[in-house]
Amino acid sequence: AQSVAQPEDQVNVAEGNPLTVKCTYSVSGNPYLFWYVQYPNRGLQFLLKYITGDNLVKGSYGFEAEFNKSQTSFHLQKPSALVSDSALYFCAVRDVNTGNQFYFGTGTSLTVIP
Amino acid sequence: NAGVTQTPKFRVLKTGQSMTLLCAQDMNHEYMYWYRQDPGMGLRLIHYSVGEGTTAKGEVPDGYNVSRLKKQNFLLGLESAAPSQTSVYFCASSFGQGRNTEAFFGQGTRLTVV
Repeated sequence: AQSVAQPEDQVNVAEGNPLTVKCTYSVSGNPYLFWYVQYPNRGLQFLLKYITGDNLVKGSYGFEAEFNKSQTSFHLQKPSALVSDSALYFCAVRDVNTGNQFYFGTGTSLTVIP
Repeated sequence: NAGVTQTPKFRVLKTGQSMTLLCAQDMNHEYMYWYRQDPGMGLRLIHYSVGEGTTAKGEVPDGYNVSRLKKQNFLLGLESAAPSQTSVYFCASSFGQGRNTEAFFGQGTRLTVV
């Protein structure tokens, strides 16, 4: 069965420090992986995706994520956190071999402390 | 380019009332989705459509109906609202395949059933 796990409900990091938001996935075929960000009272905004190619993908606002097939992980990273990065982050997987649906994690709330 | 537009943005219903949520996209996407977002549960798929005239059930379809009479529109109906349907509803759309496979989301509809 296809699924996404975000093991941390809440991540706190000091401004200027590197941040990591964790995501692991389970999918039957080759995964299409995504990260989205949600600010309060807003819809989800696309940050980045992994389809094929380089395992390290770069996205919007300085975020990047590393695809690790052996660990079935796709952790979101940023070298230096900003207070404005505080938001809710969702990892998603799309199984193009089975139904082509998106499966979302439960979200991780990131707080960057000034 | 408006992207994905949802109407209304807010609504309060009494138990047993009916309503329709409208989603419109202008990106010529084949796929459209309705999700609900509840605290601690992430996004759960209600119904989705892979093309005009087609619909399919998602994870939590009970109490909802959908229609996709035109490619650009996807309607979500509640025939007899219940307090358990109090939630934030998001519409999304995407291409079916290819590298541009990420989903785009609307701003959400906050529904309260009293």
